[in-house]
Amino acid sequence: GAGVSQSPSNKVTEKGKDVELRCDPISGHTALYWYRQSLGQGLEFLIYFQGNSAPDKSGLPSDRFSAERTGGSVSTLTIQRTQQEDSAVYLCASSFDADSGNTIYFGEGSWLTVV
Amino acid sequence: AQSVTQLGSHVSVSEGALVLLRCNYSSSVPPYLFWYVQYPNQGLQLLLKYTSAATLVKGINGFEAEFKKSETSFHLTKPSAHMSDAAEYFCAVTKAAGNKLTFGGGTRVLVKP
Repeated sequence: GAGVSQSPSNKVTEKGKDVELRCDPISGHTALYWYRQSLGQGLEFLIYFQGNSAPDKSGLPSDRFSAERTGGSVSTLTIQRTQQEDSAVYLCASSFDADSGNTIYFGEGSWLTVV
Repeated sequence: AQSVTQLGSHVSVSEGALVLLRCNYSSSVPPYLFWYVQYPNQGLQLLLKYTSAATLVKGINGFEAEFKKSETSFHLTKPSAHMSDAAEYFCAVTKAAGNKLTFGGGTRVLVKP
């Protein structure tokens, strides 16, 4: 597709359940990022992948959060045993590579509500 | 460590008036600076970016920003606000190595007719 594609766009889940959020980056982009946008916390970096390098997981808030990127393209962010404080918009983004200054393109986000 | 401060979480302007959104950064290395806009229920869209070329950067929709190293600022301006400019605006910085964005808290712009 032309842009970063995320699914689902909205997800309501019960506390304690696991959720998976999917991101399909722009074709040809080797760098992929996950951010979280929530009230009171603003926009937070979670994790990023660059080619075949080990991902930078420095922003993941707890070990309940994990992400993988298969085949250097599609990425899945998994949240285990969801808590109410996980409610947020999860934004995926991609860029041509991870060189600073390269434009990072964002998807429209996956809105997660934990009830 | 790097950080970004946006002064004013909400700004109200009249249609046709100047839009000025303030952004100050701190960075231990020369920064790359960005402004993104977020319309309701949408993702982030790049308005403009500074990558050490010209200090005055022109972006989409009539916006521009000026990098001032002495003031560690990257304020966003538009001479004449339009109703369609109502959105939330985010300033962001990356460091020289790696491309992770650090965002400011955002400024929500309301345009009054």
